[in-house]
Amino acid sequence: IQLTQSPSSLSASVGDRVTITCRASQGISSHLVWYQQKPGKAPKLLIYAASTLQSGVPSRFSGSGSGTDFTLTISSLQPEDFATYYCQQLNSYPLTFGGGTKVEIK
Amino acid sequence: EVQLVESGGGLVQPGGSLRLSCAASGFSFSDHYMDWVRQAPGKGLEWVGRIRNKANSHTTEYAASVKGRFTISRDDSNNSLYLQVNSLKSEDTAVYYCARSTVTTALDHWGQGTLVTVSS
Repeated sequence: IQLTQSPSSLSASVGDRVTITCRASQGISSHLVWYQQKPGKAPKLLIYAASTLQSGVPSRFSGSGSGTDFTLTISSLQPEDFATYYCQQLNSYPLTFGGGTKVEIK
Repeated sequence: EVQLVESGGGLVQPGGSLRLSCAASGFSFSDHYMDWVRQAPGKGLEWVGRIRNKANSHTTEYAASVKGRFTISRDDSNNSLYLQVNSLKSEDTAVYYCARSTVTTALDHWGQGTLVTVSS
């Protein structure tokens, strides 16, 4: 299953609402997760089952979608949110990641 | 506190082999599926493979790009995960992460990674 993330990069300001999309090449129900990765660090789980916030993750992050189309939204971008975001499908093997979306400071 | 610490990376010639290790602590290792994920320099994440827990017979799954060359194993008595990498190619150069899988199979804890460089 291929996952296509868009955009591949974006520039935004602190306080902006940011939306990242992930499209699957076939239906994956709600078996999608989102990770955040900062330079030189391991990824961090943000959202699982498409829309469930991982414990400890700020509520400004939210996820939605099912089937083939999914969205990660950051309601009000904070300085610590500048990072690369990846989706991953857990519906079938081999598991796959999207290509990533780099969120940069405008 | 959950901790995952990888080791065993390094410089290896094309065609060579390495054994990567991941030492786990702070949780019931034997209960969890465990994954390996890699990241080539400046590139995105690539799932490498998974080993299930004892209840699921320690069965494994692999990405097509590594199947037949890489082998995942585990030693629950020593809370350790392994990745045997054989017939290495330049495109296997990457940071290799081990990660713990939750009941939903999302990866909720990751190690710091170990760098494998394949070059002559």
